[in-house]
Amino acid sequence: DAGVIQSPRHEVTEMGQEVTLRCKPISGHDYLFWYRQTMMRGLELLIYFNNNVPIDDSGMPEDRFSAKMPNASFSTLKIQPSEPRDSAVYFCASSYTGTGLMNTEAFFGQGTRLTVV
Amino acid sequence: GNSVTQMEGPVTLSEEAFLTINCTYTATGYPSLFWYVQYPGEGLQLLLKATKADDKGSNKGFEATYRKETTSFHLEKGSVQVSDSAVYFCALRGSARQLTFGSGTQLTVLP
Repeated sequence: DAGVIQSPRHEVTEMGQEVTLRCKPISGHDYLFWYRQTMMRGLELLIYFNNNVPIDDSGMPEDRFSAKMPNASFSTLKIQPSEPRDSAVYFCASSYTGTGLMNTEAFFGQGTRLTVV
Repeated sequence: GNSVTQMEGPVTLSEEAFLTINCTYTATGYPSLFWYVQYPGEGLQLLLKATKADDKGSNKGFEATYRKETTSFHLEKGSVQVSDSAVYFCALRGSARQLTFGSGTQLTVLP
């Protein structure tokens, strides 16, 4: 398997523009997570899905952020309108429900580095 | 809620030195514990894990033991290499599926 695939790897956009980040999880995985990484706040969970259904979006910072998972093989994170403080690396991760409820691990994509100018 | 406290960096060591990165956690119940590593420009990779008390996770010469009595999961390696230079994250997974991460520790190993 190619692992979790994110696109684009880098995105530079102007303030006010819409940004869409994409993620393809590992085939067969039933959980998908979006994280944001910044120097100031470290790794923050934004939202996660189980079987394409959003379970917890309490980490989504504002209404400008939205995430969808239309099917098991694709998810998007959208920021509209974008602001300079959204500049960060955004990671997508996926995992599967193993034989033991506590024995799953998350596999991460390489991230999208977003710069809003 | 769950939280992870990790030794602050950066940590700079000479090659073949002994490494310890401290990690303590707060959680209800019996979480699983993880160490992830992030190389420059890359995503996080699982380094090792432990799912119950007294379990020892190990990989690539790194070890960590799940200590419930001290709520700790310290990462150790007996002899570091230049190629171990990276950021190391301690994390836990409780009853929910998401990971809670520590702040990360930057390790630089000098030749």
